Amino acid sequence: QVQLVESGGGVAQPGTSLRLSCAASGFTFKTYAMHWVRQAPGKGLQWVAVISYDGSKRYYEESVRGRFTVSRDNSKNTLSLQLNSLRAEDTAVYYCAKAHIVGGNSMDYWGQGLLVTVSS
Amino acid sequence: QSVLTQPPSVSAAPGQKVTISCSGRSSNIGNNYVSWYQHLPGTAPQLLIYDNNKRPSGIPDRFSGSQSGTSATLGITGLQTGDEADYYCATWDNSLSAGVFGGGTRVTVL
Repeated sequence: QVQLVESGGGVAQPGTSLRLSCAASGFTFKTYAMHWVRQAPGKGLQWVAVISYDGSKRYYEESVRGRFTVSRDNSKNTLSLQLNSLRAEDTAVYYCAKAHIVGGNSMDYWGQGLLVTVSS
Repeated sequence: QSVLTQPPSVSAAPGQKVTISCSGRSSNIGNNYVSWYQHLPGTAPQLLIYDNNKRPSGIPDRFSGSQSGTSATLGITGLQTGDEADYYCATWDNSLSAGVFGGGTRVTVL
């Protein structure tokens, strides 16, 4: 069965960096685009980034563009999100999610979520 | 403020029907497929509807989706207490070159 297991969250000070990872299994990872979505405390879901199946295309939500970098290693079935220049407003639960269909924007499997807290 | 607009909350009695609207613009809903998600606190979101009106396997036909112009709608019939959750619409926005979610709608079963 499809599994997405996230790791790397935690507490970070403003201006510092964190790296989130998402280990995928149970499907042909290299075939599907992968997304990151977050939910700040008391807020709704917010789309963060997407990377194409081969890593050639990457898109970001405006507030993270230039600070966050999404990447993937298809040989290791791993998705990553590098978070730089962290801000208090980046505090959220971060989810990795698999694209439902090739070329589509919907997301059918999600990780369990990873809490990132940015605080001094 | 979200790019896609949803009502903050809807409610109905068990067995009744609710509809949740999602309003956007031509750059998003008007030219891209809409998906809908159910989110219970502390759990991972679940895909209910993709490509405007298709249900993934395992999603009951009590859930339906439609799209017209720059708006989309999620319908839930035969409301159950287990349907109490937050529901989000989502799509791609061509102007932003980014994915977008609605602000979410809390469904309450009276």
